[in-house]
Amino acid sequence: EVVLTQSPATLSLSPGERATLSCRASQSVSSYLAWYQQKPGQAPRLLIYDASNRATGIPARFSGSGSGTDFTLTISSLEPEDFAVYYCQQRSNWPPSITFGQGTRLEIK
Amino acid sequence: QVQLVESGGGLVKPGGSLRLSCAASGFTFSDYYMSWIRQAPGKGLEWVSYISSSGSTIYYADSVKGRFTISRDNAKNSLYLQMNSLRAEDTAVYYCARGSPDYWGQGTLVTVSS
Repeated sequence: EVVLTQSPATLSLSPGERATLSCRASQSVSSYLAWYQQKPGQAPRLLIYDASNRATGIPARFSGSGSGTDFTLTISSLEPEDFAVYYCQQRSNWPPSITFGQGTRLEIK
Repeated sequence: QVQLVESGGGLVKPGGSLRLSCAASGFTFSDYYMSWIRQAPGKGLEWVSYISSSGSTIYYADSVKGRFTISRDNAKNSLYLQMNSLRAEDTAVYYCARGSPDYWGQGTLVTVSS
């Protein structure tokens, strides 16, 4: 089973700053890595799929990179609405399963 | 637009049962595999179960295997989760999710407590 480890657990930044979130897999997941944003009381929202593709309607300030075991979500210039919890996720085709990282809380400094 | 609407959550005693439903609209339901994913209060996301587009392939997380049953009715555009022998640690918001997943429902809260 693939384990995803996110760092840091909490990131404190100010609006306008650049955010860099990391996700490391215990074994290669190729490019099957997604990122989600979750705000309090809401369902997760897909931001990035297949490591670097922005989902429909996601602003260009969000970008993803990486392959194999090391992945990064970058928010180029933080907007007030970006402060939330971010999860990375990978899917296994066989046997079918989904694994999530433990999350990174992005908070206002 | 894609919509997933869960229902059926509530308060149940340990050992009890509950059946969750997820009504899908805005896409061809029978084209997609579906999952149930849960989130305990203040915790992260945990995948619970997977069902293929036809319903012929099903998998469960070890934490629910033997207690939960996933099913779907493509004629009714609906996904289900039958939960038996519920435990306090099953308390969570349960989400249905499409595919990889790309769309999630708003979730339904299941509370297991005496």
